[in-house]
Amino acid sequence: IAGITQAPTSQILAAGRRMTLRCTQDMRHNAMYWYRQDLGLGLRLIHYSNTAGTTGKGEVPDGYSVSRANTDDFPLTLASAVPSQTSVYFCASSTKNTDTQYFGPGTRLTVL
Amino acid sequence: GQNIDQPTEMTATEGAIVQINCTYQTSGFNGLFWYQQHAGEAPTFLSYNVLDGLEEKGRFSSFLSRSKGYSYLLLKELQMKDSASYLCAVLDSNYQLIWGAGTKLIIKP
Repeated sequence: IAGITQAPTSQILAAGRRMTLRCTQDMRHNAMYWYRQDLGLGLRLIHYSNTAGTTGKGEVPDGYSVSRANTDDFPLTLASAVPSQTSVYFCASSTKNTDTQYFGPGTRLTVL
Repeated sequence: GQNIDQPTEMTATEGAIVQINCTYQTSGFNGLFWYQQHAGEAPTFLSYNVLDGLEEKGRFSSFLSRSKGYSYLLLKELQMKDSASYLCAVLDSNYQLIWGAGTKLIIKP
C-alpha cells in the first residue's frame, strides 16, 4: 500500500441497507477525515479523528458513524442508507489536524 | 455562517495566464489551501498560505491577503492538462477545513 486507499470504488445500495466504507493509510498520519462531495457544493466534513481512539463530528454527521481503533484504519458506516446519502465519499489524512490533507481515490455511492 | 466564494467556471487559452479568486468569511483563520481536482479523481494539494503575500511554486503561485479575506491562484503557461477544478479551503478556528465549491477551469487550444 502506498498512501491512502478506499474500498469499494463504487457501490449501488438499496435504501435501508447498512454499508461500511473502508479507508486505510500507511503514512502513519495521526489525523483522518471523511468528506462527501456533491455537485455544486464544496467538500463537506462528515467525521474526523485527530488521533487513534478519538473521533469528532463534522458539518454533516447525521446518519453516519466512524471508529478509529488504530492509526491506519478509519471506516465510515451508514447504519440505514437513504437516497440523500448518494454522493462521492473521500477519505483523507494528515500528520496532524493543522497540516495538509491527502486524499484517497474516493467511493462513489448510489442509494436507490 | 462560514462562506468560501469562488467563480463557478472560467475559460482560458493554452499558453496564457489565468487568475482564480477566492474570498472567505470564516470563524478564525489558520491557513488557506488550494487543491486541484481532475474530473472523477481525488483532490491533490497545490499550495498553502498562512501569511500575507505570494507563494510561488513553478507555474503555480498563490496569494493571500488576510485583512481582505482574499486569495488567488495564478496559473502561468497554461497546458491542456491544467483543465480541472480548483478548490479553495480555509482552516478555521476549530482546525477544520471549510471548502469552496470549486472553480472549473476549461483550457482551449
